[in-house]
Amino acid sequence: AQSVSQHNHHVILSEAASLELGCNYSYGGTVNLFWYVQYPGQHLQLLLKYFSGDPLVKGIKGFEAEFIKSKFSFNLRKPSVQWSDTAEYFCAGHTGNQFYFGTGTSLTVIP
Amino acid sequence: GAGVSQSPRYKVAKRGQDVALRCDPISGHVSLFWYQQALGQGPEFLTYFQNEAQLDKSGLPSDRFFAERPEGSVSTLKIQRTQQEDSAVYLCASSLGAGPGYTFGSGTRLTVV
Repeated sequence: AQSVSQHNHHVILSEAASLELGCNYSYGGTVNLFWYVQYPGQHLQLLLKYFSGDPLVKGIKGFEAEFIKSKFSFNLRKPSVQWSDTAEYFCAGHTGNQFYFGTGTSLTVIP
Repeated sequence: GAGVSQSPRYKVAKRGQDVALRCDPISGHVSLFWYQQALGQGPEFLTYFQNEAQLDKSGLPSDRFFAERPEGSVSTLKIQRTQQEDSAVYLCASSLGAGPGYTFGSGTRLTVV
């Protein structure tokens, strides 16, 4: 069965710190992987996505993620976080008609 | 419109009450999806429409949940005889095709008391 797991439930960082949020997936076939962000009171927004090709994908707002097939991982990274990055982050896989979301990681950035 | 619109934003229902949640997708989007996001969880798939046809309803948790999209645009998710465990944010998303190029709405937060 398809599933996505996120290891970190709550992360607190100071501004300018580096960020890495873990995501592991379990899939039997073709993998399409995504990271979404949800700012307080707002809708889910796509940060980046991986379908195939270069395993290092760059998204909006300075985020990037690396697909490592041997580790079944798709971790999200940002070299230097800002206060405005405070939000909920969801890793997701897509297959067939639907997304399979992780439980989310709440990131708080302290000024 | 520019985005996916959902109404109401918030709904409080007494246990046993029926509720109807509305989704207005982006104009021209063929595919429409409903997801349920319980507190502290990621969204979980409920159902999928392509135009007016409901192609997948495998995620609906019980026969109290019913979704329709009669003219292939606006969709309504109906929950009959609401229970406390139905409390969640209900997200609607639409896309041009069947692939993962979704746009999500802001959701309807349902609280059953």
